[in-house]
Amino acid sequence: DGGITQSPKYLFRKEGQNVTLSCEQNLNHDAMYWYRQDPGQGLRLIYYSQIVNDFQKGDIAEGYSVSREKKESFPLTVTSAQKNPTAFYLCASSMVPGQGLETQYFGPGTRLLVL
Amino acid sequence: QKEVEQDPGPLSVPEGAIVSLNCTYSNSAFQYFMWYRQYSRKGPELLMYTYSSGNKEDGRFTAQVDKSSKYISLFIRDSQPSDSATYLCAMSYRNDMRFGAGTRLTVKP
Repeated sequence: DGGITQSPKYLFRKEGQNVTLSCEQNLNHDAMYWYRQDPGQGLRLIYYSQIVNDFQKGDIAEGYSVSREKKESFPLTVTSAQKNPTAFYLCASSMVPGQGLETQYFGPGTRLLVL
Repeated sequence: QKEVEQDPGPLSVPEGAIVSLNCTYSNSAFQYFMWYRQYSRKGPELLMYTYSSGNKEDGRFTAQVDKSSKYISLFIRDSQPSDSATYLCAMSYRNDMRFGAGTRLTVKP
């Protein structure tokens, strides 16, 4: 059963704390993405990765970090430098752009709340 | 001006109505055009995608792309209460993918 999984479903962060959101895919996709969704706004790209051990900043990378040690996994860390982290975080994956199908498939999301 | 403009609604229609959802965009380089459906507190699911201009039909759903006008539409025929969701348009060119803010649709029985 192919797809993208994200965990946890809900995450609570205290002031000054770093938290890590998990994203795993078994679609054999090369590219993976992290988006942030806020009410009334479109999805905003945080980071993306097209290949293992390489990733690029998106539009709103400040206060976030990522790693891509395995093709299947692309965890996102929300650091204490991110002053407004409350949002719905979505992970996505796709075939590498330029190979025909560039549509992205999304995981179920993680809702991050600040205590 | 936002790169992708989408009326956020909310849009409320009776069951059985034809629904028209629209987006406009400014970047003429976009080549792939997609519609996603997102239920409350869930991840978006791909509904339809088209490449370049034209129409595409899938059951009750029809996607239209007019690149000359930079305008895309999604039509839902015989709308059902289960169609109640937020619909996101998206478009991409190579690494650059942009999303509309989403239109919230409610179909009333």
